[in-house]
Amino acid sequence: SQQGEEDPQALSIQEGENATMNCSYKTSINNLQWYRQNSGRGLVHLILIRSNEREKHSGRLRVTLDTSKKSSSLLITASRAADTASYFCATAPNSGYSTLTFGKGTMLLVSP
Amino acid sequence: GAGVSQSPRYKVAKRGQDVALRCDPISGHVSLFWYQQALGQGPEFLTYFQNEAQLDKSGLPSDRFFAERPEGSVSTLKIQRTQQEDSAVYLCASSSTTGLTYEQYFGPGTRLTVT
Repeated sequence: SQQGEEDPQALSIQEGENATMNCSYKTSINNLQWYRQNSGRGLVHLILIRSNEREKHSGRLRVTLDTSKKSSSLLITASRAADTASYFCATAPNSGYSTLTFGKGTMLLVSP
Repeated sequence: GAGVSQSPRYKVAKRGQDVALRCDPISGHVSLFWYQQALGQGPEFLTYFQNEAQLDKSGLPSDRFFAERPEGSVSTLKIQRTQQEDSAVYLCASSSTTGLTYEQYFGPGTRLTVT
């Protein structure tokens, strides 16, 4: 079953604009990860944020995590057409195996 | 080095046929995962291997699904007597450790269509 929901389900912006995607989850976690999936390609890991971290940056990506609200956001700054993809958040449990539980994803379309 | 590879990339099966999907993880990766991704959905966990041991198969939807990794490297996901609801992309992922805070590397997937 899906852990949570991404919001919005779809997002359409112009190149150069910022894109913000949100993710909510249900159970306690060890970490939360964001993945990107292009059409016809596998999932590519973008960034991992641990449960004791509140914010993390990687290039044009900024991720926040609020464990009290069980939510995370992914901000892509200065978007490019190549950022067009589906974005998924995935949570890793606090114990046991590192099985990821994915959300349903946000489809991002960046127009030139 | 090479990433995770999967074969075949596309598979069309008639309902009732058996299929076998192969995953070649990154060399030396201890952990191997199988996920099922239905159209428009996120991946859902099927099963997990640590080396050759299948430690979690709680996500396998029925006893028609069987996975193995006999030598701790290549893995095969087998689906017997395929049904239309088995149509999905099957993703394989590997990780270098068994820890919780490490990323998984995904293959391109096998798109299975059952007619």
